[in-house]
Amino acid sequence: AQSVTQLGSHVSVSEGALVLLRCNYSSSVPPYLFWYVQYPNQGLQLLLKYTSAATLVKGINGFEAEFKKSETSFHLTKPSAHMRDAAEYFCAVSSPSGGSYIPTFGRGTSLIVHP
Amino acid sequence: KAGVTQTPRYLIKTRGQQVTLSCSPISGHRSVSWYQQTPGQGLQFLFEYFSETQRNKGNFPGRFSGRQFSNSRSEMNVSTLELGDSALYLCASSFSGGAQETQYFGPGTRLLVL
Repeated sequence: AQSVTQLGSHVSVSEGALVLLRCNYSSSVPPYLFWYVQYPNQGLQLLLKYTSAATLVKGINGFEAEFKKSETSFHLTKPSAHMRDAAEYFCAVSSPSGGSYIPTFGRGTSLIVHP
Repeated sequence: KAGVTQTPRYLIKTRGQQVTLSCSPISGHRSVSWYQQTPGQGLQFLFEYFSETQRNKGNFPGRFSGRQFSNSRSEMNVSTLELGDSALYLCASSFSGGAQETQYFGPGTRLLVL
């Protein structure tokens, strides 16, 4: 069984401030981990993914995430928030099932960026 | 390369009706997955198709069904609609559904059941 917990349904930051979105997972096998972003009225777009290579993963739009096995965490960070980063962010864990890999998503964190 | 397309984008139905949603994956992608997104339950996996075969199914009632055609296009059908079926239905495609593959999502079909 696998699950994802995203701490905080809403995170509010000022423009230029550090962004930290938290994600903790549980998985019975080594996981693959993903962060997706969803802008209003759009589908999900992959920000970055961890696939057991480097533990620090760099993604698009200046985001990065660090896989910490001991803490079962995969928190998403960005040094300086922009107004355009305001969106819904989803963490997902993926493990094998029936010959393919089905992701389980967290409930999402809405990032609010203040001018 | 064209992205994942879903039709229609918006749909209004009444309880008891049925609905069919369509998804065209990225060219060359053979795995298509469907998700239901609601404010209350978040993103939930419905089913995945690969080479016209349902490979995985989520925990949804039998009213939810799908199929995939030889060109990898997929449809999902919901029969006897209920108010709780109101949601954003997302389709995602990948080359083969492998662990490290990126899933590419369409913009979704927003279904409102009255």
